[in-house]
Amino acid sequence: NAGVTQTPKFQVLKTGQSMTLQCAQDMNHEYMSWYRQDPGMGLRLIHYSVGAGITDQGEVPNGYNVSRSTTEDFPLRLLSAAPSQTSVYFCASSYSGPRGNQPQHFGDGTRLSIL
Amino acid sequence: SQQGEEDPQALSIQEGENATMNCSYKTSINNLQWYRQNSGRGLVHLILIRSNEREKHSGRLRVTLDTSKKSSSLLITASRAADTASYFCAPGRAGSYQLTFGKGTKLSVIP
Repeated sequence: NAGVTQTPKFQVLKTGQSMTLQCAQDMNHEYMSWYRQDPGMGLRLIHYSVGAGITDQGEVPNGYNVSRSTTEDFPLRLLSAAPSQTSVYFCASSYSGPRGNQPQHFGDGTRLSIL
Repeated sequence: SQQGEEDPQALSIQEGENATMNCSYKTSINNLQWYRQNSGRGLVHLILIRSNEREKHSGRLRVTLDTSKKSSSLLITASRAADTASYFCAPGRAGSYQLTFGKGTKLSVIP
């Protein structure tokens, strides 16, 4: 049981490049979410999904796209990277999300630098 | 935003002492969760306390919740060097799918 797996662990991009951060879970969780963590800012919610085919915006969605074609995967896309998107990105999952009094399981993060 | 706010921002104690961290939030909640983050790692869930509960224990951890004051506290008893980490609270607003986090308390336990 691998839990929540994020790839890559580290990435350096140039401004304007695009990339996809991968997140996969093997716990059959319906709810998945993406956060970014910046120094002094805590964790901020980017996007979340309550099931395959259903996504919604969080606190800071601008510049990011998501889709959820399967229960297991929830990729985060940066279409045109900007230096302000330099951050550590965390993916999390749970059975039913915050509504269902369920704990979130986090991946170990992707450290992204944009030059 | 349902963001919790942890206090203090940083805490340094000797091994064996107790550590207390506080969390305040703004609106009605369904539950409140506490997480730990070791340096360079993801968050790990510690305890979830529901809005109708006042206290919950897990090993050396004790969490209290006062919904009238919109506050929670996390007590770690007999701290160990391995408890050195950042601790976050996450108030879960009833009916919301968005779980938001505070900025955390950075705990240092000195051997």
